[in-house]
Amino acid sequence: QKEVEQDPGPLSVPEGAIVSLNCTYSNSAFQYFMWYRQYSRKGPELLMYTYSSGNKEDGRFTAQVDKSSKYISLFIRDSQPSDSATYLCAILYSSASKIIFGSGTRLSIRP
Amino acid sequence: DGGITQSPKYLFRKEGQNVTLSCEQNLNHDAMYWYRQDPGQGLRLIYYSQIVNDFQKGDIAEGYSVSREKKESFPLTVTSAQKNPTAFYLCASSIESGTGVSYEQYFGPGTRLTVT
Repeated sequence: QKEVEQDPGPLSVPEGAIVSLNCTYSNSAFQYFMWYRQYSRKGPELLMYTYSSGNKEDGRFTAQVDKSSKYISLFIRDSQPSDSATYLCAILYSSASKIIFGSGTRLSIRP
Repeated sequence: DGGITQSPKYLFRKEGQNVTLSCEQNLNHDAMYWYRQDPGQGLRLIYYSQIVNDFQKGDIAEGYSVSREKKESFPLTVTSAQKNPTAFYLCASSIESGTGVSYEQYFGPGTRLTVT
């Protein structure tokens, strides 16, 4: 079983829609939950992170962690064509030697 | 401008040749990383270094080598022993958290290596 699973998509939605991106993970020891955004032919950049459980909001983006079901989500409100990218979830526990990345979900926002 | 530079953006090599990918950062970060990205597989860690003159193998180190002689530089050599070297290679850096890897890594633009 992979430590983190992510639906690769692609996901295509019209501009203005609410987007929900999700990952599941297997190890309850994970403490940091991150979302990285990667535009085509570029390196990923950290979009949001959450420590432990709960929600975190930043503008149109909300990251949510449900540790009881080992489920992490990223919601994008009022989606824009500029949000078109691949979104990678990532997980980490303290003192770990590496981040575990999901395979990425390719998102396309249609104007 | 602070950031990470990788060169070249595209690299073509014949099978059997070693090739070195460059990674330089001016963020004053102690830790640096090399990842490989293949379609549908996410990022896989090749090597990482948390301090100058020290580095550790990641999950897929076979066929790769690195050096860390300067804080700013972490070159990756793809050797002829790497069975399937064609991929997108990403270099990253972060502050050294002291208790393990930092959750926030800064990535370079990547080098796309094609070996034929």
